[in-house]
Amino acid sequence: EAEVAQSPRYKITEKSQAVAFWCDPISGHATLYWYRQILGQGPELLVQFQDESVVDDSQLPKDRFSAERLKGVDSTLKIQPAELGDSAMYLCASSLLANTGELFFGEGSRLTVL
Amino acid sequence: GESVGLHLPTLSVQEGDNSIINCAYSNSASDYFIWYKQESGKGPQFIIDIRSNMDKRQGQRVTVLLNKTVKHLSLQIAATQPGDSAVYFCAEILMDSSYKLIFGSGTRLLVRP
Repeated sequence: EAEVAQSPRYKITEKSQAVAFWCDPISGHATLYWYRQILGQGPELLVQFQDESVVDDSQLPKDRFSAERLKGVDSTLKIQPAELGDSAMYLCASSLLANTGELFFGEGSRLTVL
Repeated sequence: GESVGLHLPTLSVQEGDNSIINCAYSNSASDYFIWYKQESGKGPQFIIDIRSNMDKRQGQRVTVLLNKTVKHLSLQIAATQPGDSAVYFCAEILMDSSYKLIFGSGTRLLVRP
């Protein structure tokens, strides 16, 4: 069964350092999402792509976060510089259709900022 | 395994019993509701969805009920199994231009053997 691939699975970094997360969506899925999940809470949308274009990045802290999906396939989420409050699970998801509630999530990248 | 949430509301049920997980939403503009299951250390997994023009939808062992009058959503799991132990999230899509999927707070389901 096709899955959303994410790496790294775990990342520990010191504050002020740069971190990057990678996501490879299910083949054929044009819509890609990055969510952040703080322990004990539901996922929060950071950015949504349709092919290579950003559809929604209203909740992305643009002073330190950036996301790209240059060829409309895989995507990278970067944080620079990392802050203590960025410690969370970063989840990537993809969907076949743009306006759907059926998202396929990866296993996430757990970030710990010391 | 990794803990998804340490301070979530928890529902404990006996294996074989039925489970009912509740969710309240606040936005009258929400048109589409979805339930996700998140096991420890994994990403959320789609379970079932329902549109606002329906009040009930059934899947395999699961039923979602929607009461638009009181803005309430529930997920019923029949004959709960140990593999159902997870955190369950309701989510909604706002029918504005963004069509953004918004997750609510979760409920942890514990199945007692």
